[in-house]
Amino acid sequence: GENVEQHPSTLSVQEGDSAVIKCTYSDSASNYFPWYKQELGKGPQLIIDIRSNVGEKKDQRIAVTLNKTAKHFSLHITETQPEDSAVYFCAAKATGFQKLVFGTGTRLLVSP
Amino acid sequence: EPEVTQTPSHQVTQMGQEVILRCVPISNHLYFYWYRQILGQKVEFLVSFYNNEISEKSEIFDDQFSVERPDGSNFTLKIRSTKLEDSAMYFCASTSGTANTEAFFGQGTRLTVV
Repeated sequence: GENVEQHPSTLSVQEGDSAVIKCTYSDSASNYFPWYKQELGKGPQLIIDIRSNVGEKKDQRIAVTLNKTAKHFSLHITETQPEDSAVYFCAAKATGFQKLVFGTGTRLLVSP
Repeated sequence: EPEVTQTPSHQVTQMGQEVILRCVPISNHLYFYWYRQILGQKVEFLVSFYNNEISEKSEIFDDQFSVERPDGSNFTLKIRSTKLEDSAMYFCASTSGTANTEAFFGQGTRLTVV
């Protein structure tokens, strides 16, 4: 079955810096890759997603890139702000399946 | 913005007791899910539910677990005889379809088995 690896597990940056979180997946049939932000005591919230027919997608300060050949995808956050501090999860989903397979999470801390 | 709501937010139960976790998915969504997150670990899929039946389940979802949509709005997860290792945050989610549509998650129910 699908396995998603995520790095780093923790990431500390200064406000205004960029942050990059990377994930790799194992199942070449995966074709949907969402990123979720989880704040303390809350459920995961979708921040951006990408489908396998697209290599890059951007939404204001966040962007996601996908390399299907290498089976990895990355989240890029530019001009980080303290309110970006949270745990970020990548996930993958394959055609024909309904479940999302999550990565292990990255705790991002943005210091003022 | 529409949201998935879960009750209770925290449930403490004795080992061996039955618990029911409740969820109200987004009203026009058709697919419903339960995930769990053991403290400090990744979010894991338990089960998906469509058209009043289980459409997919994981190895975690054994005979101790069951799901039900008792009426037009609620979606429940029952654990028949809780074990200590069932202690986790349980998230309900819903989607409007399966073709790579956004999954909306509830805020979770923290289950503590003592």
